Amino acid sequence: NAGVTQTPKFQVLKTGQSMTLQCAQDMNHEYMSWYRQDPGMGLRLIHYSVGAGITDQGEVPNGYNVSRSTTEDFPLRLLSAAPSQTSVYFCASSPDERSYNEQFFGPGTRLTVL
Amino acid sequence: GDSVTQMEGPVTLSEEAFLTINCTYTATGYPSLFWYVQYPGEGLQLLLKATKADDKGSNKGFEATYRKETTSFHLEKGSVQVSDSAVYFCALSDPPGGSYIPTFGRGTSLIVHP
Repeated sequence: NAGVTQTPKFQVLKTGQSMTLQCAQDMNHEYMSWYRQDPGMGLRLIHYSVGAGITDQGEVPNGYNVSRSTTEDFPLRLLSAAPSQTSVYFCASSPDERSYNEQFFGPGTRLTVL
Repeated sequence: GDSVTQMEGPVTLSEEAFLTINCTYTATGYPSLFWYVQYPGEGLQLLLKATKADDKGSNKGFEATYRKETTSFHLEKGSVQVSDSAVYFCALSDPPGGSYIPTFGRGTSLIVHP
């Protein structure tokens, strides 16, 4: 199993550009989520999904869209990038929503918005 | 709402020193508690967990005991190595009164010198 994969690893955008961060998992996990990690802020939840066709907002959803058309994929879209979205983005998955389940994280995408 | 508070870093130690990283939590129910580790340039990975009071989680020489009376889950290791240098995150998950979605602390950086 590849686990959770994310592409690209690095990306530089100009303000106003759009892009999609890809996330895929091959563990048949129901639950997937996106976090951003900023210095001194820890991890903040952007969006999450409890299964194909179901998504919901996390703590910091503004400026981001998601969809979940398959169990495996959970892309994160930036429609109009802003410098405040410069961050490291992590995708995570878990078998289901049970509280004791481990979160499996991807390697991250480092995004810079100029 | 649920929250996790970790000691601020960085924590700087010499090799073979004893490590404690403090973590306290606030939760509405009976949460599961986790420690995740993030090595440089990588995503988070589960280090250990405990799902009920007085449980002790352990892995790779690290230990943490779920103390309901003090709402704490402190991470300890008897003898740290240079390879333990990383950022450590305490987290909780608290259904059904709270949320199964994990709440993460801000992370504590550990630097171990030879």
